[in-house]
Amino acid sequence: EPEVTQTPSHQVTQMGQEVILRCVPISNHLYFYWYRQILGQKVEFLVSFYNNEISEKSEIFDDQFSVERPDGSNFTLKIRSTKLEDSAMYFCASSEISETTLGYGYTFGSGTRLTVV
Amino acid sequence: GEDVEQSLFLSVREGDSSVINCTYTDSSSTYLYWYKQEPGAGLQLLTYIFSNMDMKQDQRLTVLLNKKDKHLSLRIADTQTGDSAIYFCAERVPDSWGKLQFGAGTQVVVTP
Repeated sequence: EPEVTQTPSHQVTQMGQEVILRCVPISNHLYFYWYRQILGQKVEFLVSFYNNEISEKSEIFDDQFSVERPDGSNFTLKIRSTKLEDSAMYFCASSEISETTLGYGYTFGSGTRLTVV
Repeated sequence: GEDVEQSLFLSVREGDSSVINCTYTDSSSTYLYWYKQEPGAGLQLLTYIFSNMDMKQDQRLTVLLNKKDKHLSLRIADTQTGDSAIYFCAERVPDSWGKLQFGAGTQVVVTP
């Protein structure tokens, strides 16, 4: 079964450093997403991306965050200057294009646990 | 705004049925989902239901939707130890680019 792959599985970084979280979505999917889950809290939407641009973003997704699809396969989330409160599990997801198949759900990766120290 | 609420914990004996409940606030939600998260793993889509359906059955899983009360439930028949996980209810936010609003998750513990 096709998978969304995320690397690394765990990243430790010092406060103020830049991090890039990487994702390889399913190859025929065209919508891409990042979500995060702070320990013990809800899974929260960060951003959606389609046709090489951001479709929607949440209030969490401020100027410190950016997303990119640098080539035909990778989808990255960059945090420019990490803060302690950015520590969370970050999930990438992808879905198919049509209105009908969007309802069939989104395939999530296993997540990257980001720890900011 | 959208909000999804779930009870936090459910303990069930192996072989019994589990019922996980969820309420949501946006009556115009079109799709509702159940995801499963095992320790250290990602979010696995279990099933979904479209808002014009009352019930959906998929092997051991039964989803019931009460649109009037904005209540969604997931029933797992013959619960097994491998069903121990956190179960998330989620709604697709209307008029969004596929944004999902998640509940806090229900931790299901299956005891022998």
